[in-house]
Amino acid sequence: AQKVTQAQTEISVVEKEDVTLDCVYETRDTTYYLFWYKQPPSGELVFLIRRNSFDEQNEISGRYSWNFQKSTSSFNFTITASQVVDSAVYFCALSEANFGNEKLTFGTGTRLTIIP
Amino acid sequence: DGGITQSPKYLFRKEGQNVTLSCEQNLNHDAMYWYRQDPGQGLRLIYYSQIVNDFQKGDIAEGYSVSREKKESFPLTVTSAQKNPTAFYLCASRTDNSNQPQHFGDGTRLSIL
Repeated sequence: AQKVTQAQTEISVVEKEDVTLDCVYETRDTTYYLFWYKQPPSGELVFLIRRNSFDEQNEISGRYSWNFQKSTSSFNFTITASQVVDSAVYFCALSEANFGNEKLTFGTGTRLTIIP
Repeated sequence: DGGITQSPKYLFRKEGQNVTLSCEQNLNHDAMYWYRQDPGQGLRLIYYSQIVNDFQKGDIAEGYSVSREKKESFPLTVTSAQKNPTAFYLCASRTDNSNQPQHFGDGTRLSIL
């Protein structure tokens, strides 16, 4: 069975600090996909990144960066120079590589609060 | 603009009633999904559908039913058999292209009166 663990339930940092959100996953599949979604107070889930298991390159998008390490089954998310607008719940998710049948397994989320 | 529309935003149910949550998408996506979110928990998959007139149970399908008569619509009925229906319900859709992620609607918050 697949499982995603986000051990950090809540994190608070002062604006402009860097913050890393941890994600550890379990799967027996050799091919799979990892995701991060952001859920602002309005409730919708906003897609941030999708990474397949064969691509271990780190990715940077503006102030966001992701560190994928297969050896430790982790897919951590770092926000650099945090801003108040980054306050949200962040979910890490995992899906098997069954094309056309993408079933996501979500972690329990990390609530991030950026203090002005 | 293309997107996923869930309605209503808030819904109240009396004990013993069935209620139906609407999900419509104009993205021409093939697959649609329903998730349930409880406070402090992640999303759990209720039902999903890859094509019209076909759908599959997810991890927590008991007490729910769905239909997929049209590509753009995937309504979810919360039946009286669902003993703990109070939750936030999110609908998602996805194109058949394996490189694309699921896109989510704004959600419906269901409460019991």
